[in-house]
Amino acid sequence: GAGVSQSPSNKVTEKGKDVELRCDPISGHTALYWYRQSLGQGLEFLIYFQGNSAPDKSGLPSDRFSAERTGGSVSTLTIQRTQQEDSAVYLCASSLANYGYTFGSGTRLTVV
Amino acid sequence: AQRVTQPEKLLSVFKGAPVELKCNYSYSGSPELFWYVQYSRQRLQLLLRHISRESIKGFTADLNKGETSFHLKKPFAQEEDSAMYYCALADTGNQFYFGTGTSLTVIP
Repeated sequence: GAGVSQSPSNKVTEKGKDVELRCDPISGHTALYWYRQSLGQGLEFLIYFQGNSAPDKSGLPSDRFSAERTGGSVSTLTIQRTQQEDSAVYLCASSLANYGYTFGSGTRLTVV
Repeated sequence: AQRVTQPEKLLSVFKGAPVELKCNYSYSGSPELFWYVQYSRQRLQLLLRHISRESIKGFTADLNKGETSFHLKKPFAQEEDSAMYYCALADTGNQFYFGTGTSLTVIP
């Protein structure tokens, strides 16, 4: 597609359940990022994939969070045993070299 | 270490007044700087890059290496400029660092 696609756009889950968020980056973009935007907060970096290099996971808030990127394209962010504080908009972005990010429209996660 | 600092979390200006959103960075190499904007209920999008030296929607930003700043400016603010603005830095490894954002409100 022409842009970064994220699914689902909205997800409501019960506390304690696992969720998977998907990101389809722009074809050919080597870098992929996950960010989290909480209500009234700025962007919080989660994880960064660049080509075949080991991902930078330094932003993941706990070991309940993990992400993978298959075939250098689609990425999945998994949150296990969700907590209410995980409620946020999860944004994915991809980029090619230093041309700037293209962001997806995000997945709004609500943990009840 | 915080690489990008946006000191103002909230900024309000009257329509027609000049606006400046501050951004300071720390990086020893030659960074690339960007401004991103998120309008209400829309996705985050690139506003401008310093390397392009362009003006988008009347906004400009000049990279000042001496002051390590990349402030975003517009001479006459419009109501439709109300949004969240993020300053970002890309290092030589193409890793991006975002500031915490400034919420701009233009008062009619």
